[in-house]
Amino acid sequence: DARVTQTPRHKVTEMGQEVTMRCQPILGHNTVFWYRQTMMQGLELLAYFRNRAPLDDSGMPKDRFSAEMPDATLATLKIQPSEPRDSAVYFCASGYRTGLNTGELFFGEGSRLTVL
Amino acid sequence: GNSVTQMEGPVTLSEEAFLTINCTYTATGYPSLFWYVQYPGEGLQLLLKATKADDKGSNKGFEATYRKETTSFHLEKGSVQVSDSAVYFCALSSNDYKLSFGAGTTVTVRA
Repeated sequence: DARVTQTPRHKVTEMGQEVTMRCQPILGHNTVFWYRQTMMQGLELLAYFRNRAPLDDSGMPKDRFSAEMPDATLATLKIQPSEPRDSAVYFCASGYRTGLNTGELFFGEGSRLTVL
Repeated sequence: GNSVTQMEGPVTLSEEAFLTINCTYTATGYPSLFWYVQYPGEGLQLLLKATKADDKGSNKGFEATYRKETTSFHLEKGSVQVSDSAVYFCALSSNDYKLSFGAGTTVTVRA
C-alpha cells in the first residue's frame, strides 16, 4: 500500500534547538506539500514543490524555516532556531500533477512537534 | 483568491442521525472540490471528490454535490455511526493545484 511516510512522529525539543522533519512522498508523485495544523489556525500551507522545485513558500516564516527536496524520495522541513509558537502538527502530502488531474493529495500521519 | 468556508462545529449527534456539514467556496476558474476526513491521531484522508458542476461524490455513505450556482459542496450522511466521529475538511483545488482547506468541522457521534 503506497503511502506518505513522515519522521519523526513525535518530537519534543527545547527552544532554540534545530528541528528537522522528513517526508518520503509516494513513489511517482511529482508534487509535495508541507502543511502545519494548530487549533487556532487550522491547516496552513507552508511550502509547495513540483518536480522538486519550490513553487510557493509564502506561508513559511523565512527567517527560521527552510524546506528542501534533495531528491525525489525525500523532502525536509527545518526549523532553526525553534520557538514555542512552532508547536504544531506538521503534515507532508504528495500528489501527481498533470494538466487533467483533479488535485487529490495523499497525507502522511504527521509529525507532532512540541517546543518547550 | 480561492477560499473555503465551512460550518463551524463542534457537531454532536446520536447514532443513526442525519448529518449535514455546509461548505461554500470562492474560486477563479473551475475548481475541483473535496471532502477530507481526519480521525484522531491520523493524517487527512480523502473522503470524496467532485470535479465539475453537478457531479456527486460519494463514499462510505457520505455524499456531496458540486453546485456551481450556489458555490456549495455540502456533505451529507443519512445515518451516522460512532465510527464517523472525526474532523471533516472541505477543500478546493484550482489551476495552481494547491488545496485550500476550510477550518474543519469536528463531529462527535454518541452511541
